[in-house]
Amino acid sequence: SQQGEEDPQALSIQEGENATMNCSYKTSINNLQWYRQNSGRGLVHLILIRSNEREKHSGRLRVTLDTSKKSSSLLITASRAADTASYFCATVLYYNTDKLIFGTGTRLQVFP
Amino acid sequence: DAGVIQSPRHEVTEMGQEVTLRCKPISGHNSLFWYRQTMMRGLELLIYFNNNVPIDDSGMPEDRFSAKMPNASFSTLKIQPSEPRDSAVYFCASSRGAGQSNYGYTFGSGTRLTVV
Repeated sequence: SQQGEEDPQALSIQEGENATMNCSYKTSINNLQWYRQNSGRGLVHLILIRSNEREKHSGRLRVTLDTSKKSSSLLITASRAADTASYFCATVLYYNTDKLIFGTGTRLQVFP
Repeated sequence: DAGVIQSPRHEVTEMGQEVTLRCKPISGHNSLFWYRQTMMRGLELLIYFNNNVPIDDSGMPEDRFSAKMPNASFSTLKIQPSEPRDSAVYFCASSRGAGQSNYGYTFGSGTRLTVV
């Protein structure tokens, strides 16, 4: 079964609005990463947050991590049509830091 | 750097044929991963290598699948014989830091495999 489950599965917003995606996981982690996938393309690494961090920023991206709730959120501020893509969270397990396990993804559509 | 390079981009083959997918990781990256993506199952990790050595192949679906990494700059994923249910997009990714995924992965553009 998937380690990460994203919510919502799909999200539609207007340009300029903020988009928030959530990720829940089951097992203790070493770090959590977010990736973007444009249609028909490979995944692109966006940001990594370690288990001892609570919040991280990168440009218009803000990621939070709550290890007590085993959840993370990705906030995209002032969204643009070019942000239209699928967004995946991925976890590196605490007891097996070798590999990355992906969640189910959120499909974001930003209308101009 | 040209990034992770996969070939071919698209492959259409008949059931029963052998398929070989190729990957060139980023120079200096010492971990390499093969993933499969389908609508039904999402992104599945098939196998990964650290320093050219296969570490975990528990995600390989069947004996029909095999992967090799003869050197640090090349890996192959082979399916023999192929079946229609193998149709998917196969991604290769590489990363620094073998044995510790504290770095983001760099993905290739994928190979879209269709088995008819």
